[in-house]
Amino acid sequence: GESVGLHLPTLSVQEGDNSIINCAYSNSASDYFIWYKQESGKGPQFIIDIRSNMDKRQGQRVTVLLNKTVKHLSLQIAATQPGDSAVYFCAENMGGGGSRLTFGEGTQLTVNP
Amino acid sequence: DAGVIQSPRHEVTEMGQEVTLRCKPISGHDYLFWYRQTMMRGLELLIYFNNNVPIDDSGMPEDRFSAKMPNASFSTLKIQPSEPRDSAVYFCASGPGYEQYFGPGTRLTVT
Repeated sequence: GESVGLHLPTLSVQEGDNSIINCAYSNSASDYFIWYKQESGKGPQFIIDIRSNMDKRQGQRVTVLLNKTVKHLSLQIAATQPGDSAVYFCAENMGGGGSRLTFGEGTQLTVNP
Repeated sequence: DAGVIQSPRHEVTEMGQEVTLRCKPISGHDYLFWYRQTMMRGLELLIYFNNNVPIDDSGMPEDRFSAKMPNASFSTLKIQPSEPRDSAVYFCASGPGYEQYFGPGTRLTVT
C-alpha cells in the first residue's frame, strides 16, 4: 500500500524577518517545555526551555512564550537567517516526577534569501 | 565535552540479523533515552534509564527490542531479529534532568 508520512506544518520567511513558530500542548499539568531544532541528517538540538512558572524566556535571537491558559507555546526567532532553516519541535514534560518528554509533530521553517 | 556519541552512524543489514546500536552519554548525565524517528510516526521514545536503571520501557515495540545500560558511560539498543519495518533513525539522548541532549543518530536500514 501507499505509505503516508507526517505532513509537517510549514513556515516560509524572508531572510531578516522575524519568525514565529507555534505549538499547542496537550496536558495542563505539564511543567516544563523545550524547543528543539533539527537540521537534515542531524539529531535534535536544544534551543531553549521554559518552566511553567514563567511566561517568557529569552535567549540569543530566540524568545519562548508560554500561555498556560490556552496551552500554547511559541518560539520567536529574530532576524531569521538561512542557517535557521530546519524542523522545529516543541516538547513537554507532563510532570509527575518523570523525565519523559512528549514531542510535537514539528514545523518546517524555510528561510528564503 | 564531545556530546552524545552514537555508533555506528549508518547500518545496513538483512532481515533476520541482529543489530546492536551503541551510545555514550555526556559525562555526568543521570538520564539516558533511546528514541526512534520515522516519517510515519515522528519521534518516539522507546526507553529511558536513570542512573543505569530502566525506568520506562513502555515505548519498546516488542520483545525483539532490548536495551541495556551496564554502566554510566555506555548503553546499547539491540534488535533481534531485525525486520524491514525497523528501518528508522535511532537517537540516543542524555540529560541531567528534564533537559535532553541528542546524539547524531544511527540510520538503520533493514532489507
